Amino acid sequence: NAGVTQTPKFQVLKTGQSMTLQCAQDMNHNSMYWYRQDPGMGLRLIYYSASEGTTDKGEVPNGYNVSRLNKREFSLRLESAAPSQTSVYFCASSDPESSGNTIYFGEGSWLTVV
Amino acid sequence: AQTVTQSQPEMSVQEAETVTLSCTYDTSESDYYLFWYKQPPSRQMILVIRQEAYKQQNATENRFSVNFQKAAKSFSLKISDSQLGDAAMYFCAYRNMNNAGNMLTFGGGTRLMVKP
Repeated sequence: NAGVTQTPKFQVLKTGQSMTLQCAQDMNHNSMYWYRQDPGMGLRLIYYSASEGTTDKGEVPNGYNVSRLNKREFSLRLESAAPSQTSVYFCASSDPESSGNTIYFGEGSWLTVV
Repeated sequence: AQTVTQSQPEMSVQEAETVTLSCTYDTSESDYYLFWYKQPPSRQMILVIRQEAYKQQNATENRFSVNFQKAAKSFSLKISDSQLGDAAMYFCAYRNMNNAGNMLTFGGGTRLMVKP
């Protein structure tokens, strides 16, 4: 069972470079999320997509853009990476109908901006 | 906005003993869910236990149980018969079911160390 799959798992970027984190889920969930986790801290919501075709800002959206490409895929883009964006990024998905109000997480993407 | 507070940055427990991790939250909603997630060094987020706010009975999952005090907005996790594999970061999380997206709000985490 794949669940939530994120790519890449590890990435080193130079300041000012751009990149896209990809996320796909195979559970037919409507809602998808992007979180970031800084050292010693809990997860903070960057953006979310309540359903296909919609996206909304979370707690820390500055410096990011997202695309809900279809029901399965939700990508996170850093247009001009900054050292403050060094973090572990988690994609997640859920659906009240099928996941019993539980949010399922991917394994995380470790991003370092130098 | 909802907030979740974990007041214990670190806890330590002897193997086979019992430990309780604290969590408090702030909300004006009546319909919500509470969760405890475990995060080992691999950073994988593993669901440990969840509690529906409308249920008075405390949730249990094997060695893990919660003490849910709705009026006090408290949601503590008790780990019985602690094992070395329980060592990890533990995050308390709140989920409001009445807003679009129903996202999770996390506490800052508690690092649990288990001594052999």
